[in-house]
Amino acid sequence: EAGVAQSPRYKIIEKRQSVAFWCNPISGHATLYWYQQILGQGPKLLIQFQNNGVVDDSQLPKDRFSAERLKGVDSTLKIQPAKLEDSAVYLCASSLGSRTSSYNSPLHFGNGTRLTVT
Amino acid sequence: GQNIDQPTEMTATEGAIVQINCTYQTSGFNGLFWYQQHAGEAPTFLSYNVLDGLEEKGRFSSFLSRSKGYSYLLLKELQMKDSASYLCAVRDKTGANNLFFGTGTRLTVIP
Repeated sequence: EAGVAQSPRYKIIEKRQSVAFWCNPISGHATLYWYQQILGQGPKLLIQFQNNGVVDDSQLPKDRFSAERLKGVDSTLKIQPAKLEDSAVYLCASSLGSRTSSYNSPLHFGNGTRLTVT
Repeated sequence: GQNIDQPTEMTATEGAIVQINCTYQTSGFNGLFWYQQHAGEAPTFLSYNVLDGLEEKGRFSSFLSRSKGYSYLLLKELQMKDSASYLCAVRDKTGANNLFFGTGTRLTVIP
């Protein structure tokens, strides 16, 4: 089974620029997550999709972050404009589980995109 | 909300046993996961507990006590490749049944 694919692997931008990350989840996985992991910390949830709908975006800084999952498969996460504190690894994860079933389905993570904002 | 605590760093000797503790407070507990994360890599799933007790998987075991809000990950016969961060994560059924992570415990295995 192919894993979660993310690109790019690394990205360096200047503050106030915009950036986009792409994620292709494991085939058949209905649920997709974006996490932000700052160096030395655990992953912090940004947004959860169930198929092509947003289930939870309560922790997404919506003034600068946006995400979409068109057609319920691939997803993109965008930051516009970027700030220095956005420097982190952005992890995409997918799971079989839905909001109301298969609650023990583990999340499968991609290798992440390491973003450096200068 | 969720509050998940783990030690920041631990060091153990190759061949030994190490126990990594995790305590949590959450309004809607719906399972606890342990993940392993090597530097620069993605977290990988190790274990899952939803009922009290011990789950064993080869050299790795995980224990849960829901009444105490406590879990531990036990690693036996430590190998150098076990040097990594170990993340405790709690699923909260309040709202969207999301998975929330602790800050992770960085384990260093020394010869």
